[in-house]
Amino acid sequence: QQPVQSPQAVILREGEDAVINCSSSKALYSVHWYRQKHGEAPVFLMILLKGGEQKGHEKISASFNEKKQQSSLYLTASQLSYSGTYFCGTEANTGNQFYFGTGTSLTVIP
Amino acid sequence: KAGVTQTPRYLIKTRGQQVTLSCSPISGHRSVSWYQQTPGQGLQFLFEYFSETQRNKGNFPGRFSGRQFSNSRSEMNVSTLELGDSALYLCASSLEVSYNEQFFGPGTRLTVL
Repeated sequence: QQPVQSPQAVILREGEDAVINCSSSKALYSVHWYRQKHGEAPVFLMILLKGGEQKGHEKISASFNEKKQQSSLYLTASQLSYSGTYFCGTEANTGNQFYFGTGTSLTVIP
Repeated sequence: KAGVTQTPRYLIKTRGQQVTLSCSPISGHRSVSWYQQTPGQGLQFLFEYFSETQRNKGNFPGRFSGRQFSNSRSEMNVSTLELGDSALYLCASSLEVSYNEQFFGPGTRLTVL
């Protein structure tokens, strides 16, 4: 039931773009995105509710395809501060457990 | 506004012992969730409490339990510790019942020897 993220790891140069995908086997009510820097707690980025809504947060945005139970996180013009591990979190339509994805390690280099 | 606090920050126990971890949510937040984070398993949901009631529970054995007090502070307890319980235990608070924006505490690093 844990969502699967891809890629597992990615290395970018400053200014490059990246896409992180999150896929669930369950019909989803919501998808959340968090970023965790090394040695720190996860920090909330955004929530997407079913309805295909796309949200944005500075140069980070996300989409949610409820029919495919998939979400994608888009990072544009990456900055060094974007480095960290990105987790999607999902709440299914049925049941209220919250599952974090497998994580994607993103490293931005100068 | 003070953030989520967790105590203790570090803990070393031996197999068979029990441990209690504490979490104080952000003032006004009524929902507290607990997660276990390990390098191999990632972030795994333990349970969620709202208004002193356990609303949801993850797939963990009964050795893992928790409770929430009337002031929304929460504790989790692990009995009969096993080596595999070594992990970072994170709690997160949010305003309402649904999994809205969750604010995480710094975690308690538990090492079982």
